Amino acid sequence: SQTIHQWPATLVQPVGSPLSLECTVEGTSNPNLYWYRQAAGRGLQLLFYSVGIGQISSEVPQNLSASRPQDRQFILSSKKLLLSDSGFYLCAWSAQLNTEAFFGQGTRLTVV
Amino acid sequence: KQEVTQIPAALSVPEGENLVLNCSFTDSAIYNLQWFRQDPGKGLTSLLLIQSSQREQTSGRLNASLDKSSGRSTLYIAASQPGDSATYLCAVRPLRGTQGGSEKLVFGKGTKLTVNP
Repeated sequence: SQTIHQWPATLVQPVGSPLSLECTVEGTSNPNLYWYRQAAGRGLQLLFYSVGIGQISSEVPQNLSASRPQDRQFILSSKKLLLSDSGFYLCAWSAQLNTEAFFGQGTRLTVV
Repeated sequence: KQEVTQIPAALSVPEGENLVLNCSFTDSAIYNLQWFRQDPGKGLTSLLLIQSSQREQTSGRLNASLDKSSGRSTLYIAASQPGDSATYLCAVRPLRGTQGGSEKLVFGKGTKLTVNP
């Protein structure tokens, strides 16, 4: 069966520091991968998605970037964190763009 | 622009009650609709996926319906239990996303359900 792993579970980082969140999927090949952010009182917002290695699409302009160095690995990064980057970050995968999506357990990021 | 609304924002019921959660969306051009459950501080657990050509899906005590033409979906929970307490999220996948494909799930803000023993 397929599983998705995200780490770390929680992270407290100072403003201006770099960020690296990692997500890996097991049990499937060539998944579509997604990064969402969930802010307090707001719905989930798609940040990035990837249909293959090295292929990244961004939904909104922001202080973050994403990379997919391997088929089942998706990384969310920032060179310098802002206070507004605080939130709950969720990685997800689906077999195709229009099929069922499965989410990881999330990373709670607090920028101080 | 697709928008998803979930009403009510919060619901409290006694154990054993049957209940219905509502989801509405503004654009009927969707591939599918997915219901999720989110426990506090946790990720999303997929409950049911309804394709645009389907009317309903069932899993155990859960039944989800879809009326695409009216832009509505309901999640029916039978014989509710305290363990059902969580936030329930509805999401639609539009036929056409900003990048030309249906890459994005558009989420509602959820209904927080509390089932009291």
